[in-house]
Amino acid sequence: GNSVTQMEGPVTLSEEAFLTINCTYTATGYPSLFWYVQYPGEGLQLLLKATKADDKGSNKGFEATYRKETTSFHLEKGSVQVSDSAVYFCARRVSGNTPLVFGKGTRLSVIA
Amino acid sequence: GAVVSQHPSWVICKSGTSVKIECRSLDFQATTMFWYRQFPKQSLMLMATSNEGSKATYEQGVEKDKFLINHASLTLSTLTVTSAHPEDSSFYICSARVTTGRDTEAFFGQGTRLTVV
Repeated sequence: GNSVTQMEGPVTLSEEAFLTINCTYTATGYPSLFWYVQYPGEGLQLLLKATKADDKGSNKGFEATYRKETTSFHLEKGSVQVSDSAVYFCARRVSGNTPLVFGKGTRLSVIA
Repeated sequence: GAVVSQHPSWVICKSGTSVKIECRSLDFQATTMFWYRQFPKQSLMLMATSNEGSKATYEQGVEKDKFLINHASLTLSTLTVTSAHPEDSSFYICSARVTTGRDTEAFFGQGTRLTVV
């Protein structure tokens, strides 16, 4: 079926550490892929997205590359900050008219 | 970006009562809104698609008579949990879709934590 699998948290890192949150998807066709972030007490916000294979989404130092061959969209950041502490959701959408399908979310805690 | 406001952010109700959750698009019109439910350590599960001026489309396994959705205007969708029970306790999130040209983006409310006691 169509689903999104992301690594389970929580993930705890020290400030300036390298971050990777794995995400893989199953879907027919060529879905668009997204990373959303949910800061404490706030709604989900789009962090970055990629709409076709080999596209790289980037924002706020975060990056993710749409890998069709491995059906992955791993989130990376070279140097995390305390302010990056949040829950990160990987998601996919088959077309603009269909709803998003989310992974379970990964809680990231960055300590000074 | 567009702002979606969800109210209340948390609510505690007694078993058997009904609770209404509002989702408003503040600076844009939304013909389509989505309602999600999130259990602890679980993904956001789509409950229903709310279409302005027409009946909502419910996902398989979601009781339409229990989770009443009304989308009477282009800026407001409501979810009413009727005869709530403790197992309905969850985090409910709404989302509105904005299409600009060929690009479609989803904006989310901050969520409502419902606790039924």
